[in-house]
Amino acid sequence: AQKITQTQPGMFVQEKEAVTLDCTYDTSDQSYGLFWYKQPSSGEMIFLIYQGSYDEQNATEGRYSLNFQKARKSANLVISASQLGDSAMYFCAILNFGNEKLTFGTGTRLTIIP
Amino acid sequence: DSGVTQTPKHLITATGQRVTLRCSPRSGDLSVYWYQQSLDQGLQFLIQYYNGEERAKGNILERFSAQQFPDLHSELNLSSLELGDSALYFCASSVDGQYSGNTIYFGEGSWLTVV
Repeated sequence: AQKITQTQPGMFVQEKEAVTLDCTYDTSDQSYGLFWYKQPSSGEMIFLIYQGSYDEQNATEGRYSLNFQKARKSANLVISASQLGDSAMYFCAILNFGNEKLTFGTGTRLTIIP
Repeated sequence: DSGVTQTPKHLITATGQRVTLRCSPRSGDLSVYWYQQSLDQGLQFLIQYYNGEERAKGNILERFSAQQFPDLHSELNLSSLELGDSALYFCASSVDGQYSGNTIYFGEGSWLTVV
């Protein structure tokens, strides 16, 4: 079984500061994928970034980067220069390549303060 | 816009009724996933189809069923609805069910309220 742990239920960050959202995972699979999604209050689930377990370099997508530490089973999301529009729930998820099941964490509610 | 289209966006229905949620995947995507998001259970994987065939099954109730049609759109049927079925139902799609690094994109969800 796979598990995602997000230990920060809520975070308040000043606008323009960098933010790190924590994610640790547990899996017995050798190959897997790690995702971060953003869910604003309107409800849609927006893909942010993906990291494959076999990728040696950390993934980056614009202001988003994924700090992947495989030995620690950690996949933290870093948002640089936070903006008011970044206020949302953020979910970390792991994909089992074998059964195609995407397992989500409980999420972190990020609030950006002007 | 993820390219995944879900209808209806909002639905209110009574207990015991049956509803159908519809999903059109991104152009070129063969794999469709259904997820349920509720306050008490979080995001739960329900079922996955790849090119018309069921590929993986999660915590899907027997009252629920799904299918993927030849044009690759998918429908999730929820029957004998209970109050606890009220949730946000997501459809997601990816290019290849044999996952090799393809991103999974979600639709905007269908809000179901059972009264």
